[in-house]
Amino acid sequence: QKEVEQDPGPLSVPEGAIVSLNCTYSNSAFQYFMWYRQYSRKGPELLMYTYSSGNKEDGRFTAQVDKSSKYISLFIRDSQPSDSATYLCAMSTTLGRLYFGRGTQLTVWP
Amino acid sequence: NAGVMQNPRHLVRRRGQEARLRCSPMKGHSHVYWYRQLPEEGLKFMVYLQKENIIDESGMPKERFSAEFPKEGPSILRIQQVVRGDSAAYFCASSRSGQGADEQFFGPGTRLTVL
Repeated sequence: QKEVEQDPGPLSVPEGAIVSLNCTYSNSAFQYFMWYRQYSRKGPELLMYTYSSGNKEDGRFTAQVDKSSKYISLFIRDSQPSDSATYLCAMSTTLGRLYFGRGTQLTVWP
Repeated sequence: NAGVMQNPRHLVRRRGQEARLRCSPMKGHSHVYWYRQLPEEGLKFMVYLQKENIIDESGMPKERFSAEFPKEGPSILRIQQVVRGDSAAYFCASSRSGQGADEQFFGPGTRLTVL
């Protein structure tokens, strides 16, 4: 079993839709949870960062962590064509090494 | 631009040659991580270095791969006697500390193609 599982998609939605992206994990030692966005042939950029369980909102983006279920989510409201990218969940313990999911490829069409 | 810099951006090597990938961390960052991204896969951790020290190399293949982060200059990931399976995007990230709470900033990556 992989430590971090993420459905690779692809996911295709119309502009304005609410997008839900999810990851599950098996290592209960993970404390820090992140979502990165990666455009084609670019490096990942950090979108959201959450410590332990709870919700965090930043503009159109909301990250949720449920440690009891080992499940994290990213919601994108009012999705835009510019949101089309691959979204990678990542997590870490108290040490810095990141464990990534495979990434979900998202396309938002006008 | 004070971001993480990687060079070259694209590197083509023939089987059996050596590949050297360079990473300059963000200003003020002394912790460097290397990750590899194979086609259709997420990023996989390879090695974590501080200046002049390898802290965690548990993700590095046992043979042909090595990494360093000297006191002066960039971090270097070296792949000797490259094989076609080494073709991938290699990303470097840096952080201010080595703690899990600290954000890692990624470079644009080096795309290695082995012919």
